[in-house]
Amino acid sequence: DVKVTQSSRYLVKRTGEKVFLECVQDMDHENMFWYRQDPGLGLRLIYFSYDVKMKEKGDIPEGYSVSREKKERFSLILESASTNQTSMYLCASSLSLPHSVFDEQFFGPGTRLTVL
Amino acid sequence: AQTVTQSQPEMSVQEAETVTLSCTYDTSESDYYLFWYKQPPSRQMILVIRQEAYKQQNATENRFSVNFQKAAKSFSLKISDSQLGDAAMYFCAYRRAIQGAQKLVFGQGTRLTINP
Repeated sequence: DVKVTQSSRYLVKRTGEKVFLECVQDMDHENMFWYRQDPGLGLRLIYFSYDVKMKEKGDIPEGYSVSREKKERFSLILESASTNQTSMYLCASSLSLPHSVFDEQFFGPGTRLTVL
Repeated sequence: AQTVTQSQPEMSVQEAETVTLSCTYDTSESDYYLFWYKQPPSRQMILVIRQEAYKQQNATENRFSVNFQKAAKSFSLKISDSQLGDAAMYFCAYRRAIQGAQKLVFGQGTRLTINP
């Protein structure tokens, strides 16, 4: 079974702090994604990566950055946390299939971040 | 840009009965994938069912089936013989049928309650 793990289930930080959210997958997936989940808005893509050291902005990248130094690990960084970044953060990964356009995304359990 | 709309924030059904969750989407593309994801209270998102737009036949997975109406851009999920374990948030999602890392575009979600 594919396993996507996230470093924390719950996190409480203060405004202005630098925050790191870590995601690790164990199935050698090329693609990794960070989504933000808010009530009434569903999930929205923050950033994704299709290879080590490669990253692409999603729909709501402002206030976030990412790092992918190793294939299995994808980090989301809040440079200076603000209260409007209080949310649930979900990581996902998928395999890049060479002869297919479909790649199922597998999700981690999520990190509930509260910024005070 | 593609959008996905779930107009039912909450639904409830009696155990063993059938419930249908609605989803509409907007796209100018002719080929794409549609998904229903389930997020139980423990928060790990899992794929329930998927539909390729080029297939006319509606997808079915055990008690879960979809009604895919391409012209109407509608993609509803039917859950038959509802069980207590079906209680969850359900998200409808869209993905372009292009090779490579492609984001999922999610609807707002529907919270399904199963009444014993």
